[in-house]
Amino acid sequence: DAGVIQSPRHEVTEMGQEVTLRCKPISGHDYLFWYRQTMMRGLELLIYFNNNVPIDDSGMPEDRFSAKMPNASFSTLKIQPSEPRDSAVYFCASTSDAARGAFFGQGTRLTVV
Amino acid sequence: EDQVTQSPEALRLQEGESSSLNCSYTVSGLRGLFWYRQDPGKGPEFLFTLYSAGEEKEKERLKATLTKKESFLHITAPKPEDSATYLCAVQAVTGFQKLVFGTGTRLLVSP
Repeated sequence: DAGVIQSPRHEVTEMGQEVTLRCKPISGHDYLFWYRQTMMRGLELLIYFNNNVPIDDSGMPEDRFSAKMPNASFSTLKIQPSEPRDSAVYFCASTSDAARGAFFGQGTRLTVV
Repeated sequence: EDQVTQSPEALRLQEGESSSLNCSYTVSGLRGLFWYRQDPGKGPEFLFTLYSAGEEKEKERLKATLTKKESFLHITAPKPEDSATYLCAVQAVTGFQKLVFGTGTRLLVSP
C-alpha cells in the first residue's frame, strides 16, 4: 500500500485566498483524522471521521475551516479565507483501529503570506 | 482537560550513550498512551501503545514503560539513525478516538 497520500506537499498562498488540502487514506481504514502541527502548539487534532461521518470537530479553530469526506477514499480540508496564522503543517492520518495507532501522511506545509 | 508534557525539549547524546525521555500526563481515564517517532519533513510514525500501568514494550533499542502518571522511552546504546523527534500522546476513555499530543523531544545522536 502507498500509505496515506496528501496533496499538495507545499502550498503558498496570499491572505484571503481559499486553500484546499487533500487526503487519500489507506484502503480499508475507516477512521480519518486531520491534524495541524506548529512549533508553539505541537500536533492538534482538528477533526476526525468514522465511516465518512464527522465525529468530533471541536478542534476546528473557526468557521473559516471546513472538512468533508465524500467517500471512503478521499477527504478535503478547506480554509476560506486564509490568514497568516493558519501557516502550519497539516497532516492527515487514517487507521482501522485507533487504539493501535494511526498512520500519518507526509503532510502539507501551508504558508499564508 | 487532558494534557501531555514531554521533557527534555531537546537531548543530545553520543552514540552508545543510553538515556530516557519523559512523558507526564493528566487524563480523565487513560485508554492508551502512544509513542511516535517523527523525522524532519515527514509525518509521525507509530512506535508503541501502552494501556495500563506496569506495561512495557520494546522495539530494537527502544523500550517504553508506563506508570499512572508518566511514561518513559528508554533508548539503549543509541545510533545516529535514532535521531528524530519523539512524540507522546494520550487517548482518554471518554475522548472517543482523540489523541492529545505533547510537543515532543528532539533527539540528536552524534557518532
